[in-house]
Formats: sequence, structure tokens, C-alpha cells
Amino acid sequence: EAQVTQNPRYLITVTGKKLTVTCSQNMNHEYMSWYRQDPGLGLRQIYYSMNVEVTDKGDVPEGYKVSRKEKRNFPLILESPSPNQTSLYFCASSRNRGGEYFGPGTRLTVT
Amino acid sequence: GDSVTQMEGPVTLSEEAFLTINCTYTATGYPSLFWYVQYPGEGLQLLLKATKADDKGSNKGFEATYRKETTSFHLEKGSVQVSDSAVYFCALSDQGAQKLVFGQGTRLTINP
Repeated sequence: EAQVTQNPRYLITVTGKKLTVTCSQNMNHEYMSWYRQDPGLGLRQIYYSMNVEVTDKGDVPEGYKVSRKEKRNFPLILESPSPNQTSLYFCASSRNRGGEYFGPGTRLTVT
Repeated sequence: GDSVTQMEGPVTLSEEAFLTINCTYTATGYPSLFWYVQYPGEGLQLLLKATKADDKGSNKGFEATYRKETTSFHLEKGSVQVSDSAVYFCALSDQGAQKLVFGQGTRLTINP
């Protein structure tokens, strides 16, 4: 089954404690991205990757890092989380501009 | 920059009613247009898409036509069901851009 998986699905952490949200896709897609969803602000892109070792900033990259060492994986790293990064995070992948497949989401709370 | 505007929700309808959710866009190029649906507790699912003017996307009884002259991509369904209750997002992807630009989302509730 074609899918994008994310882990963990739910995470509560404290300010400053480094965390990683993993993302993996099994469709051999070149393109992957991360979005955050906030009430009243909709979905905004954080980072994207066109292929292995190729990443670039989206609209709201501050406070986040990513890496793309393998085609299937695209982890999101928060090195020093802050309360304003409390949000619902989605990983997505696609082969081209035909529409992105989204993961189930990770709900992050930073206290 | 590119933007998408959706009709504000929430929208509440009775089962078997006709549904329209309006979506208009602003883009510098010739974007592809999408509708996504988000069921409670789940990620976004691609519902339908259109890649050029006058294309009609359709899926699960939903339809939307890419209207370049009015820069619109309204979502329609002739007879909604309780299971259609969800949040619907209109989105665009412009040429050369490496992201989707989303509307705010419209929460739809269908009552039996």
C-alpha cells in the first residue's frame, strides 16, 4: 500500500529538548516536504527536498532542520523547541506536481 | 504572491443536499489546482485535481472545473452523505514552485 508514515503521532515535550519527527514514504518519490497546520493560518510549508541531499527552505523554516540522506526518509529536527512550535505537522511526498501524498500527522506540544 | 481563498465555514447541510464550496485563486503563472479532504484525526487526502484551464477533476461524486477566466475552482457534489463530513482544502501549485499553497479550509458537517 502506498503511504507516508510519520512517527511519533503525538508528542509532548519541554522547551529546549531536541526532538526528531521521522517521515518515510514507500512510493520512490523524489519530492518530499514538511508542513505545519495551525488554526487560522492553514497549512504552511517548512522545508522541502527535491531529491537525496537536496533540501531548501519553505515559508516558515526558522527553528527547524531537515536532512535527506535516503530517498525514502525525510526527518524533521527541532534542535531547541519552543512553545510557538506547538502545532500539527504533516510530511508529504510526490513524484511531480500531480499532487502530494500526506502522512497522518504529528501533533506536537511544547511546554 | 500566490494565494487561495475559500468560502468561510463552517458549512452545515442535510443529507442529500447539493454542495458548493467556493475557491478562487491568485497566481502569477499557470497553476495546477487541487482539492484535499481531511477527516477527523487524519492527514490530508487528495480528492481531485486539474492541471489546465477547463479541465474537470472528479472523484467520489465530487467535481471541480478549472476556470481561468474567473480564477476559480469551486467544489460541487450533487447529493452529500454524512460520511462527507470533513474539512476541505483548496490548493494550488504554481509552475516552478516547490510547494502547495492552501486555502484556509472549510469545515463541512452533514446531518442525517
